[in-house]
Amino acid sequence: EAGVTQFPSHSVIEKGQTVTLRCDPISGHDNLYWYRRVMGKEIKFLLHFVKESKQDESGMPNNRFLAERTGGTYSTLKVQPAELEDSGVYFCASSQGFYILAGKGDTQYFGPGTRLTVL
Amino acid sequence: AQKVTQAQTEISVVEKEDVTLDCVYETRDTTYYLFWYKQPPSGELVFLIRRNSFDEQNEISGRYSWNFQKSTSSFNFTITASQVVDSAVYFCALSGSKAAGNKLTFGGGTRVLVKP
Repeated sequence: EAGVTQFPSHSVIEKGQTVTLRCDPISGHDNLYWYRRVMGKEIKFLLHFVKESKQDESGMPNNRFLAERTGGTYSTLKVQPAELEDSGVYFCASSQGFYILAGKGDTQYFGPGTRLTVL
Repeated sequence: AQKVTQAQTEISVVEKEDVTLDCVYETRDTTYYLFWYKQPPSGELVFLIRRNSFDEQNEISGRYSWNFQKSTSSFNFTITASQVVDSAVYFCALSGSKAAGNKLTFGGGTRVLVKP
């Protein structure tokens, strides 16, 4: 079974440009999460989709970030316009979600991340 | 608010030594879940273990073992007889109850370097 995949693996852009990151979750996983790690800091939650709906977007830093999950399959995270402080590694994770409903917790499986560098 | 602290930023050992990674957490949830992930040089986060707050039984998986102590809010991870392939960054993480959402709160990570 294929794991979580992310594209591109690396992206180098200039300040003010737009970048779109893509995440393909594990097939059948309703839950999709975005996280990021800025240099020297902890991995921070950005948002959570359940199917195509945004369940929690409390971690989105500002309105320059737009996440979508059309049809409840893959997700995109667009940064427009990019700023220097957006540099970091963006991780995507997915989980089945069944155990969340049963109150038994759930395990998120992560992709390899996209390293974004804004110059 | 939830918080995870990994006080050790980097640990260096010689192959075959044991290494213990500390993880201390804070949460107000009565039900919560603790995780360890491994990030090898290739960059992906690899799931290692999930522990429920109501299950304090320690767990062993091969050379890996985990010690969950609710009384001290700690979830420590030990690698026995370390190998070079264990070199990686290890993250401890916490998620709350369903009502609190399933998002993970991560510690800062501990880099483990195993020298041959």
